[in-house]
Amino acid sequence: EVQLVESGGGFVQPGGSLRLSCAASGFTFSNYWMSWVRQTPGKGLEWVANIRQDGGEIYYVDSVKGRFTISRDNAKNFLYLQMNSLRADDTAIFYCVRDKISGASHFDSWGQGTLVTVSS
Amino acid sequence: DIQVTQSPSSLSASVGDRVTITCRASQSIGTYLNWYQQKAGKAPKLLIYAASTLQSGVPSRFSGSGSGTDFTLTISSLQPEDFATYYCQQSSAAPLTFGGGTKVEIK
Repeated sequence: EVQLVESGGGFVQPGGSLRLSCAASGFTFSNYWMSWVRQTPGKGLEWVANIRQDGGEIYYVDSVKGRFTISRDNAKNFLYLQMNSLRADDTAIFYCVRDKISGASHFDSWGQGTLVTVSS
Repeated sequence: DIQVTQSPSSLSASVGDRVTITCRASQSIGTYLNWYQQKAGKAPKLLIYAASTLQSGVPSRFSGSGSGTDFTLTISSLQPEDFATYYCQQSSAAPLTFGGGTKVEIK
């Protein structure tokens, strides 16, 4: 059974940092692209970033470029999202998502989500 | 960026009804369009990918169609467990973008 378990969310002040982690199991992690997707009541679902199997290709939504860094450890089956210079509008539930093997992205497995709250 | 617009934003329907949700992309995306279902307090679930391919384990009452800029998700006979919010998502080009969602409520 595919499992994706996020951790690392919490409450942080504007300008602060958080590192999200996602533990993957039940599939060959190194075979898949992986993504982070976030959800807010006001803006709905927003894709944040994805990373190729070997980490050699990475994409971000413009609103997080230069502030967030996606990475992975295929030996440990972990996906990460380092978030710096956090802003109030980054407040969201962040989901770790299994992306494609190849071809076009589609998100076929999701974690339970971890809540990030940015507030003073 | 490719914008994806869903309609309607909400609808009320009865069990057994045929329900149609539409999604329009701001430019042609071929068949790079996916559909998800989300129930309250849960993560989204993939229903259909590549516009019309049913994800494994998804009931056959769900179907998708379309190409280019106009797409449709159809539920042929609405069941009690189908009351949820549905999202489309384009995967033609980064940034990958989602529609605003369609909430399907009980009539």
